[in-house]
Amino acid sequence: NAGVTQTPKFRVLKTGQSMTLLCAQDMNHEYMYWYRQDPGMGLRLIHYSVGEGTTAKGEVPDGYNVSRLKKQNFLLGLESAAPSQTSVYFCASTGQGDSPLHFGNGTRLTVT
Amino acid sequence: DQQVKQNSPSLSVQEGRISILNCDYTNSMFDYFLWYKKYPAEGPTFLISISSIKDKNEDGRFTVFLNKSAKHLSLHIVPSQPGDSAVYFCAAKVGYKLSFGAGTTVTVRA
Repeated sequence: NAGVTQTPKFRVLKTGQSMTLLCAQDMNHEYMYWYRQDPGMGLRLIHYSVGEGTTAKGEVPDGYNVSRLKKQNFLLGLESAAPSQTSVYFCASTGQGDSPLHFGNGTRLTVT
Repeated sequence: DQQVKQNSPSLSVQEGRISILNCDYTNSMFDYFLWYKKYPAEGPTFLISISSIKDKNEDGRFTVFLNKSAKHLSLHIVPSQPGDSAVYFCAAKVGYKLSFGAGTTVTVRA
């Protein structure tokens, strides 16, 4: 049982380049989330999804887009990367009710 | 505007002693609170939670206390062990969204 899997683990981009981060979960969870972690800021919610085909903005959505075409996958896209998007990105998922979030191991992104 | 605050960036404690981590929140709509533990190069893992209708929840060496009137929660770890050295995040939930504090780095000294 893999849980939440994020790819890639590391990536270096130049300013203006685009990329997509992939998150896959095998727990049949309805809800999926993308967070970014920065020093002194904790985890901040970028976008989330409450079900297949739905997405919503979190605290820091600017510069990111997401898609949830399949229940098990949640994609985070950067159309034109900026140095301010250098961060560690975590995907998480959860089922109904107050069950806790399950996190992937993160993607470390550096934008130069 | 951070709705969940952990004002102590770090905590150092001797092995065998109690670790107390604190967390304050501003949104009175939060109805569920959680603590996560994070090791380097790994994702956060769930530790313990508490519903807003309770004031205490215990799981082995970990106890979470909730004071709703003060909008404050705390995590007690007794006794502290070397494997407890990690970053601890406090989190609060309303609806579908979970908000996190900035984290407290705990170092357990032998």
